[in-house]
Amino acid sequence: QKEVEQNSGPLSVPEGAIASLNCTYSDRGSQSFFWYRQYSGKSPELIMSIYSNGDKEDGRFTAQLNKASQYVSLLIRDSQPSDSATYLCAVTLFRNSGNTPLVFGKGTRLSVIA
Amino acid sequence: NAGVMQNPRHLVRRRGQEARLRCSPMKGHSHVYWYRQLPEEGLKFMVYLQKENIIDESGMPKERFSAEFPKEGPSILRIQQVVRGDSAAYFCASSPQFVSTGYTFGSGTRLTVV
Repeated sequence: QKEVEQNSGPLSVPEGAIASLNCTYSDRGSQSFFWYRQYSGKSPELIMSIYSNGDKEDGRFTAQLNKASQYVSLLIRDSQPSDSATYLCAVTLFRNSGNTPLVFGKGTRLSVIA
Repeated sequence: NAGVMQNPRHLVRRRGQEARLRCSPMKGHSHVYWYRQLPEEGLKFMVYLQKENIIDESGMPKERFSAEFPKEGPSILRIQQVVRGDSAAYFCASSPQFVSTGYTFGSGTRLTVV
């Protein structure tokens, strides 16, 4: 089983709709979860982080975490064409020795149709 | 407050040459991470360094690749005797000592081996 799995897409949604992006992870010790957005030819940009079960909202973005199911999702409300990008899910594990590197999924390509 | 600086942005090397990629972390950040992204692939962790120390190099190929983060100056990722399969985008990220908010990535170096 891959450490972080995402549906590669493309996921197409009409402008104004809700886009739902999903991610599952294999390590039950994972403690921190991040969503990055990456436009074609650009570097990844951090858009959301979540550490506790439940929902976390930031503007049009909502991250949802369910540690029991090892599942994290990202909802984008009122999707805009400018949201068209690849969305990368990443997890990290904290140990006594310090940080562990982020492990990324392959990303889901989102296309918002005007 | 400058972000993570990577140079060069684009690098072309002939097979068998050496490639040197540089990364200067954000001010106040002492942890540096290198990732590689092949076309249409996710980000793959390569190496994690602190000043003068390699903390985790579990993602580095066993041969031809090396990394350093000296006391003074940028972190360097060196690829000796490059081959066409090394063509990729190489991203550097940095974080403060106790990361809790995710990484900040640089703009990346696009390496093309001809």
